[in-house]
Amino acid sequence: QVQLVESGGGVVQPGGSLRLSCAASGFTFSSYGMHWVRQAPGKGLEWVAFIRYDGSNKYYADSVKGRFTISRDNSKNTLYLQMNSLRAEDTAVYYCAKDRFPYSSGWDNWFDPWGQGTLVTVSS
Amino acid sequence: DIQMTQSPSSVSASVGDRVTITCRASQGISSWLAWYQQKPGKAPKLLIYAASSLQSGVPSRFSGSGSGTDFTLTISSLQPEDFATYYCQQANSFPHTFGQGTKLEIK
Repeated sequence: QVQLVESGGGVVQPGGSLRLSCAASGFTFSSYGMHWVRQAPGKGLEWVAFIRYDGSNKYYADSVKGRFTISRDNSKNTLYLQMNSLRAEDTAVYYCAKDRFPYSSGWDNWFDPWGQGTLVTVSS
Repeated sequence: DIQMTQSPSSVSASVGDRVTITCRASQGISSWLAWYQQKPGKAPKLLIYAASSLQSGVPSRFSGSGSGTDFTLTISSLQPEDFATYYCQQANSFPHTFGQGTKLEIK
């Protein structure tokens, strides 16, 4: 079955960097757009970034633009999120999520399924 | 950005009750709306997409309706496993945005 497993979370100081990974299995990874969505402790959901199935287009939330970079390696079935210049307000559980339908441009799609999430804590 | 507003923010109900949650978009989004269920400590789960399409494996007591700016999620007869937080999400344009969530609690 479809499985998404995030890793790479942890505690980092403000201004630091972290790279998250999402290992995908159970589907043709190279056919689906992928997203990162985060959830601060006790708060709601915030979409972070999207990458097209072939990596040709990327979109970001304004809150992370210029600091975060989404990428993918279709040969390794893995999604990444490089996070630089981290701030306290970036503290959250980060989920990767797959597009519901293949070959989409990204905005016209849904998140299904989601990984279990990885916690990023930005604190001194 | 498109703002999504859910109401109510929380609701108390009993097993067997019919519950309706509403979601309003700040501008028209056609049928580009999804509903997710999230239980404590777990990832969200897709319930409804394209405003009214039931995701495979989701019980038929869940239904969605609406188009344009006003949408509803209805649970026809609450079951114990339905007590959770529900989020709407628009997919009309980037950035994807979510409602603030509706917590469904046991009365």
